Amino acid sequence: DTEVTQTPKHLVMGMTNKKSLKCEQHMGHRAMYWYKQKAKKPPELMFVYSYEKLSINESVPSRFSPECPNSSLLNLHLHALQPEDSALYLCASSQVSGDSHTMNTEAFFGQGTRLTVV
Amino acid sequence: TQLLEQSPQFLSIQEGENLTVYCNSSSVFSSLQWYRQEPGEGPVLLVTVVTGGEVKKLKRLTFQFGDARKDSSLHITAAQPGDTGLYLCAGGNPRTSGNTPLVFGKGTRLSVIA
Repeated sequence: DTEVTQTPKHLVMGMTNKKSLKCEQHMGHRAMYWYKQKAKKPPELMFVYSYEKLSINESVPSRFSPECPNSSLLNLHLHALQPEDSALYLCASSQVSGDSHTMNTEAFFGQGTRLTVV
Repeated sequence: TQLLEQSPQFLSIQEGENLTVYCNSSSVFSSLQWYRQEPGEGPVLLVTVVTGGEVKKLKRLTFQFGDARKDSSLHITAAQPGDTGLYLCAGGNPRTSGNTPLVFGKGTRLSVIA
């Protein structure tokens, strides 16, 4: 199983709504990532979890709140978003080298959630 | 500053033609990955190159890692419409130690016309 599953595939939300994006993998990967991708741009890193602990936050606004409940699941909680936050949100996972906690750069991506903020 | 520079950004060719996409950096990477992404989907990993000078083949796709591990190329032979997509090179961020999440080039958008 080399799948990373993201739900929902599409989401439309108002600026006052609270919603969550979900991501699941069963490859035993201990690093999980959230990326944001705007149209015609490459993915941009938002958050990195290593062994269920937040290790990197790329100065993301607090209206995005990540959560890693266990080694297979990664959530992104959304609150009070702006229309400019509309984008494709990608989850990815990779192995971590046990001793050095170095993330393997071979990342496997989910299909993404197409988010539209109205 | 863009760590990985890809060229060309856009490429439109006829079916059956050959093409090469380049990924260049002034930094040394321990490995580089190539991904292909279709509209509305997540990137799909095509290959990882690790050793300087390494050449890997995936059917009609040939990937090369530069001797100094600062650049890579993707060559497609006899392109087909199914090759259409966004090709992204990526590597572990050489500016961070230990944890090295991927940084991406801007991508090459390829269109193969039948």
